[in-house]
Amino acid sequence: EVQLVQSGAEVRQPGESVKISCQGSGYQFNNYWIGWVRQLPGKGLEWMGIIYPDDSDARYSPSFQGQVTMSIDTSINTAFLQRSSLKASDTAMYFCARMGASGRIDAFDIWGQGTMVTVSS
Amino acid sequence: DIQMTQSPSTLSASVGDRVTITCRASPRINSWVAWYQQRPGRAPKLLIYKASTLETGVPSRFSGSGSGTEFTLTISSLQPDDFATYFCQHYDGYSGTFGQGTTVEIK
Repeated sequence: EVQLVQSGAEVRQPGESVKISCQGSGYQFNNYWIGWVRQLPGKGLEWMGIIYPDDSDARYSPSFQGQVTMSIDTSINTAFLQRSSLKASDTAMYFCARMGASGRIDAFDIWGQGTMVTVSS
Repeated sequence: DIQMTQSPSTLSASVGDRVTITCRASPRINSWVAWYQQRPGRAPKLLIYKASTLETGVPSRFSGSGSGTEFTLTISSLQPDDFATYFCQHYDGYSGTFGQGTTVEIK
């Protein structure tokens, strides 16, 4: 079964950092773009960026450029999203998702279950 | 920047109704448009990609159409499972703009 499994919920204080993970299984992880999507509580979906595991080519939304870092560890088929200097406004659900075509840009066909990040003092 | 303006934001309908949701793109785009369904507390689910291609396993009552600046998702006969929020998305190699979402509610 093709799936993405994300790390568990995180609670952080303002100013701290967080790194969430997304492990793929059931397919050739290196050959499919992975994207990250943010959903603020009760709001819509925001495209944060995409990364290609085979060469770590990373493309960020201008809204998130410089605010987050996407990375890959192909030895464990895992993508990461890191955010430093957290603010209360970063409280959100973060989803990873796989693009549906091998080696090409496509819609997100497989989604992780989401990781809730809560930033509160 | 590409904008995807989705309407309506909320839609009240009954089981068996035909439902249409629209996304207007600015500026004009190619047909790399997807539609997703999201139920509360769940991850989005891909329904349609490349504007009109039905994802494997998605019921045929869902269909997508459009080109250029206007794209639509149609549910031909609304079923109880279909009460959810729907998002359109334009995707390419450098962006993936989502529409604001349409919540389909029970009338």
